[in-house]
Amino acid sequence: DQQVKQNSPSLSVQEGRISILNCDYTNSMFDYFLWYKKYPAEGPTFLISISSIKDKNEDGRFTVFLNKSAKHLSLHIVPSQPGDSAVYFCAASVGNYGQNFVFGPGTRLSVLP
Amino acid sequence: ETGVTQSPTHLIKTRGQQVTLRCSSQSGHNTVSWYQQALGQGPQFIFQYYREEENGRGNFPPRFSGLQFPNYSSELNVNALELDDSALYLCASSLGFGTSTDTQYFGPGTRLTVL
Repeated sequence: DQQVKQNSPSLSVQEGRISILNCDYTNSMFDYFLWYKKYPAEGPTFLISISSIKDKNEDGRFTVFLNKSAKHLSLHIVPSQPGDSAVYFCAASVGNYGQNFVFGPGTRLSVLP
Repeated sequence: ETGVTQSPTHLIKTRGQQVTLRCSSQSGHNTVSWYQQALGQGPQFIFQYYREEENGRGNFPPRFSGLQFPNYSSELNVNALELDDSALYLCASSLGFGTSTDTQYFGPGTRLTVL
């Protein structure tokens, strides 16, 4: 019973173009969401977050959009760079009581030069 | 640079054995969380510790236990190993009390194989 789904296991994008990574969730109680990036042999690195009171959060080339009615969030990377090639995880939590995050299975992004 | 280290990098055990995994958090980080990442899946929360006390736990049985020490190191202990315990184990430290908005810094993980 996956509460957080990332239905695209992999994605290839040309350098300079936009990368859009998608995440769907089933638990309507989730109110805080994060994206992590993971390189091989390294731990996940925090990228960007969004609270359910917002529908968009931006940080440089990275923007996260949240559609609560659709229980869907997406991460936009513009422009994509070869160094962005990694596995991206979305994660969700209920309340601000702890780090009991539920992670999706990840999407492998390949940015082609 | 995260400053979170884990040892060992890889470990092979047999079913029924016990294992201890270690994590060294960034100095000043009072919260450490442990995650299990099975192949092809995202990390799954095991538990978190704040100042040496467990203050959150995921859906894992009691044979998964932990310790946190005043020197910002911590341990994950797993008793009676099962084949399904084979996974990458990640620890993550954070500066605050361990709320969801505290940024977590992950270590590179320990790959455990149970035969």
